[in-house]
Amino acid sequence: GESVGLHLPTLSVQEGDNSIINCAYSNSASDYFIWYKQESGKGPQFIIDIRSNMDKRQGQRVTVLLNKTVKHLSLQIAATQPGDSAVYFCAENTGGFKTIFGAGTRLFVKA
Amino acid sequence: DTAVSQTPKYLVTQMGNDKSIKCEQNLGHDTMYWYKQDSKKFLKIMFSYNNKELIINETVPNRFSPKSPDKAHLNLHINSLELGDSAVYFCASSQVDGETQYFGPGTRLLVL
Repeated sequence: GESVGLHLPTLSVQEGDNSIINCAYSNSASDYFIWYKQESGKGPQFIIDIRSNMDKRQGQRVTVLLNKTVKHLSLQIAATQPGDSAVYFCAENTGGFKTIFGAGTRLFVKA
Repeated sequence: DTAVSQTPKYLVTQMGNDKSIKCEQNLGHDTMYWYKQDSKKFLKIMFSYNNKELIINETVPNRFSPKSPDKAHLNLHINSLELGDSAVYFCASSQVDGETQYFGPGTRLLVL
């Protein structure tokens, strides 16, 4: 069946450290992947995306890595700040209208 | 200006009642979605509309009926509310199907 991500784990990091959030997907036909950030009381917000013809994409303080061989996606956040505390979702799409979201990872940033 | 808006933000109601949630997007997007997020933060798509036409209808009870009066609006009507309907409902839109989605602030539904 279709599944993306892990059951909601929690990651706790010290302010200033780098964070790595991992995600596994099962549909090898997925060709577009997105990371969303959801702060408390708000809707998910786009962070960064990557297509299957790439294995790395960088944004401002964030990097997404895609390993299609093992169907693994990761989000790296450099110099993590308190404002980065949120739930992070990976999502996959196979080119249609349906995007499948992973279970999410809660990131705590300790000051 | 708010890109994707939902009303109401909070909805507390009794079992058996009928309620509606409204969603509007001013981004000019063609595709709109409804998601349900449970207490464990799991996000599951319910419906997807493209240019006012229903594209995706996941295994959602018939008590849930989406309506899209125009491309900018996608409302969700729920009949005979049940305890298990308690969740946060998110509306979203995207310019192209399957691409980056913009989410509304959510409607927190509590069925008593």
